[in-house]
Amino acid sequence: AQKVTQAQTEISVVEKEDVTLDCVYETRDTTYYLFWYKQPPSGELVFLIRRNSFDEQNEISGRYSWNFQKSTSSFNFTITASQVVDSAVYFCALSEDRSQGNLIFGKGTKLSVKP
Amino acid sequence: GAVVSQHPSWVICKSGTSVKIECRSLDFQATTMFWYRQFPKQSLMLMATSNEGSKATYEQGVEKDKFLINHASLTLSTLTVTSAHPEDSSFYICSAIDRGPYEQYFGPGTRLTVT
Repeated sequence: AQKVTQAQTEISVVEKEDVTLDCVYETRDTTYYLFWYKQPPSGELVFLIRRNSFDEQNEISGRYSWNFQKSTSSFNFTITASQVVDSAVYFCALSEDRSQGNLIFGKGTKLSVKP
Repeated sequence: GAVVSQHPSWVICKSGTSVKIECRSLDFQATTMFWYRQFPKQSLMLMATSNEGSKATYEQGVEKDKFLINHASLTLSTLTVTSAHPEDSSFYICSAIDRGPYEQYFGPGTRLTVT
């Protein structure tokens, strides 16, 4: 069965600190896709990244970076120099479908960035 | 990017009544749409997969007679919560698959409160 674990329920940091959100997944599929979404207080999900199981290259996008390690079944997300606008709930998700159909979500990590 | 809308954005109804939530893909045709439910401070759980022109596929534990899904056109899926009870109060989010780029886009969500 597929499962996504985000062990950190809530994290609080001060602006400009770096923060890493952990994500551990379980799947028996050899082909799968991992995602990160941001959900601000408004509730709308914001897509951040998709990574397929055959691409273990780390990715950097501005202040965001992702570390995918199949050996530990982890797909961690780091925000560098955090800002107040980064405050949100972040979800890691898993799917066997590139289109993200039938997503299995983790429970989410609430990030609070204080000025 | 592609846009998915939901209507209403929030609704309050009395226990025992039914409420309909619409999900529309505004600038693309969606043969497949998904309905998710999110309880306060919890993760998103897939309720059902809605396919245009056919019956929806419900996830285990979701009552199909209570949550009626109709995907009557390529741009519209509706979720009707029948005989609503306070425990149905939740945030309902839909998503739609754009087969062109094979991407999934989320709606902004509908907050349902049953009194």
